[in-house]
Amino acid sequence: GAGVSQSPSNKVTEKGKDVELRCDPISGHTALYWYRQSLGQGLEFLIYFQGNSAPDKSGLPSDRFSAERTGGSVSTLTIQRTQQEDSAVYLCALKGDRGAYGYTFGSGTRLTVV
Amino acid sequence: DQQVKQNSPSLSVQEGRISILNCDYTNSMFDYFLWYKKYPAEGPTFLISISSIKDKNEDGRFTVFLNKSAKHLSLHIVPSQPGDSAVYFCAASWGSNYKLTFGKGTLLTVNP
Repeated sequence: GAGVSQSPSNKVTEKGKDVELRCDPISGHTALYWYRQSLGQGLEFLIYFQGNSAPDKSGLPSDRFSAERTGGSVSTLTIQRTQQEDSAVYLCALKGDRGAYGYTFGSGTRLTVV
Repeated sequence: DQQVKQNSPSLSVQEGRISILNCDYTNSMFDYFLWYKKYPAEGPTFLISISSIKDKNEDGRFTVFLNKSAKHLSLHIVPSQPGDSAVYFCAASWGSNYKLTFGKGTLLTVNP
């Protein structure tokens, strides 16, 4: 969506490799989220960044997952030693301007672990 | 433990008729509810929301109804248009960090 750029759009990786997914907000937002959607599932919360506060990492499924947000702008989600169950669409979202909860989502990165 | 449930994976309606998408939730702490629409290969887009202090919110062709006692909400689209064909997600939140819990989605197909 407008305001959020995610790269790559598609990523195929071999099991056991590390991957890095990028979220680049086009305009400044203080709140940034990562979600993922596995096949046949709803969107699952992963991590939340709010300004300079410590991130809410409560949704990260394992210690193989980590994320950072540099300079309050670009965020990267890193998955180490990928497993097949990590295959999903990973979505970045910003707290939008349509009311307090109107997130603006990026188009996502489709990750396939083979 | 699914706190937000959309029990109909798919729904098919004729153009011009009403589409009703349903959502149930189990967490009584939820105080804000939203609907998102998602086209293939795109991120979800926000449609409409409702606070738990209300029971109805309208925006053009879209109306969301909230029944707190039944822990149920629904999205009505009238009249339905072929361009409304998409996956619709129900989501809920509570607390100050705006973390959303999503249902699995309902695929709406509006036939011309």
